[in-house]
Amino acid sequence: GQQLNQSPQSMFIQEGEDVSMNCTSSSIFNTWLWYKQDPGEGPVLLIALYKAGELTSNGRLTAQFGITRKDSFLNISASIPSDVGIYFCAGPWANQAGTALIFGKGTTLSVSS
Amino acid sequence: DTEVTQTPKHLVMGMTNKKSLKCEQHMGHRAMYWYKQKAKKPPELMFVYSYEKLSINESVPSRFSPECPNSSLLNLHLHALQPEDSALYLCASSQAVWGTDTQYFGPGTRLTVL
Repeated sequence: GQQLNQSPQSMFIQEGEDVSMNCTSSSIFNTWLWYKQDPGEGPVLLIALYKAGELTSNGRLTAQFGITRKDSFLNISASIPSDVGIYFCAGPWANQAGTALIFGKGTTLSVSS
Repeated sequence: DTEVTQTPKHLVMGMTNKKSLKCEQHMGHRAMYWYKQKAKKPPELMFVYSYEKLSINESVPSRFSPECPNSSLLNLHLHALQPEDSALYLCASSQAVWGTDTQYFGPGTRLTVL
């Protein structure tokens, strides 16, 4: 089946540092989504990307849709303790029956103050 | 408003119990989803409802029975579950049924099967 390769698997950083994570696929996606999940909660949508080459910001978060449509990255600038959580990339995969989200395996972010 | 609500927040049940999980959205979305998530893993798709009809069943055991009473509600009926079914169960919805539309998730139900 389709797979998204997300890296790094985990990151341990100091408060104030910048963070970068990325997602790649062997298949073309027409949308890239980035979610953040806190323990015991549902994933919260951070940024949605709909166009190849698109660069979108949401506060301290910036994400880009790769020009080949096979990759995306998420940057977090000036990290703070509440950035702790698991970040997932995801891409909708549609067939005749409907659309399912394909997820990366997640990047676990730890921030020390 | 992009809110999906789920009840209950937590559920503990025995292997012989019957229980139901509920999900609701009032965004006019036409597709609704159930996902199962184990700790530190990404969500795994279980079911997709498109226009209130079951369109995808990802080979889920029959002890999980989905139901879509109307366009705003989605239920997951549970019966004779196993301890390995303990997980976070997530509901999601999206405006479009096909294509590349964004899915919005609820807060989840933490299920423990004893």
